[in-house]
Amino acid sequence: GDSVTQMEGPVTLSEEAFLTINCTYTATGYPSLFWYVQYPGEGLQLLLKATKADDKGSNKGFEATYRKETTSFHLEKGSVQVSDSAVYFCALSAKGYQKVTFGTGTKLQVIP
Amino acid sequence: GAVVSQHPSWVICKSGTSVKIECRSLDFQATTMFWYRQFPKQSLMLMATSNEGSKATYEQGVEKDKFLINHASLTLSTLTVTSAHPEDSSFYICSAPEGGSDTQYFGPGTRLTVL
Repeated sequence: GDSVTQMEGPVTLSEEAFLTINCTYTATGYPSLFWYVQYPGEGLQLLLKATKADDKGSNKGFEATYRKETTSFHLEKGSVQVSDSAVYFCALSAKGYQKVTFGTGTKLQVIP
Repeated sequence: GAVVSQHPSWVICKSGTSVKIECRSLDFQATTMFWYRQFPKQSLMLMATSNEGSKATYEQGVEKDKFLINHASLTLSTLTVTSAHPEDSSFYICSAPEGGSDTQYFGPGTRLTVL
């Protein structure tokens, strides 16, 4: 079945550092790929998405590129802020099928 | 973007009682909604798919008689945890896709604590 693998956290970075959170997936066909963010005590918010190969999703300085050849969707940000501290979930959804498969989540802590 | 609300945001109850959690799509209609539970520091586990006007579809290992789901309208799904026990304490999150989109919009979650 479909699965998503994320790098384990927590990831601790200093403010303005470069962020990469790795995500790889296994799925049949061409799923849609997502990054969701969860701030402490809150639900999930969609951060960005990509629906086909080579698409780049971007939002709030974060970006991720749908790489079919490596089945990856790594999240990057050039300069993190303390307010980016949260748990980030990589996820996929098969086309035409609304059920979402989540990775285990990666906690990011940004220190001043 | 689309907004999904949940009520209550947190609830504390005694063991053996039942608790109802509401999930509403505020600015769109949702024929399908999803219910997840999340344990501390873990990912979301899909519990069931709520279908408007028909029975919910439960994931393997989820007790349908314990977690009752009712999708009474195109904007409301409810999850009732019956005869709650401390092991049911968790963070329950619902989601709904807008229209035919494959993007899920999530509610803010409900933290249930069973004493």
